[in-house]
Amino acid sequence: SAVISQKPSRDICQRGTSLTIQCQVDSQVTMMFWYRQQPGQSLTLIATANQGSEATYESGFVIDKFPISRPNLTFSTLTVSNMSPEDSSIYLCSVAGEGGGEAYEQYFGPGTRLTVT
Amino acid sequence: AQSVTQLDSQVPVFEEAPVELRCNYSSSVSVYLFWYVQYPNQGLQLLLKYLSGSTLVESINGFEAEFNKSQTSFHLRKPSVHISDTAEYFCAVIGSARQLTFGSGTQLTVLP
Repeated sequence: SAVISQKPSRDICQRGTSLTIQCQVDSQVTMMFWYRQQPGQSLTLIATANQGSEATYESGFVIDKFPISRPNLTFSTLTVSNMSPEDSSIYLCSVAGEGGGEAYEQYFGPGTRLTVT
Repeated sequence: AQSVTQLDSQVPVFEEAPVELRCNYSSSVSVYLFWYVQYPNQGLQLLLKYLSGSTLVESINGFEAEFNKSQTSFHLRKPSVHISDTAEYFCAVIGSARQLTFGSGTQLTVLP
């Protein structure tokens, strides 16, 4: 399966600031997703990152708060804007469709642990 | 729309005992089901999947799950657990746009 890296692995940020998280895959993939895992909770999909066009956001998530880019088939960024303590979570990217194959199996990056003070 | 229900939030079990983690789903599209495992302070790992074919699927570390369409279930089982199996287990179903919907998770704690 694809090797996925995320930067940074963790960060502590002041409220009101923004943080951009990078997701890099070692091979081309059809689909990339961003999830949030709040403390002690399950994963919730934020959006599907679409190459060359605007991301598709799930209910409750908006582009102004979580702008996403996907300039090519191996890279995506998620920005958490104007942060508040409620944004403290683990943010994970996932990929599917390695090598342009069927996009049923998703593989996850190691996550970015964000703490907002 | 799809949803996943994991009926047990915590499952403590003694080492070498059998375990079953329950998962029920609802989906309006073709059903593809997954179990992911999250070890402490680590990311999610795909444990096993059901896409088609045999309703009984197995992982390399002794877990198995059976897709039961009539009961809309995909329970995870292992006949004999080890301390190293202690982790959070998430059941998930895939939607028409390939997005995953996760259950709330089950914390499996294996006791010595």
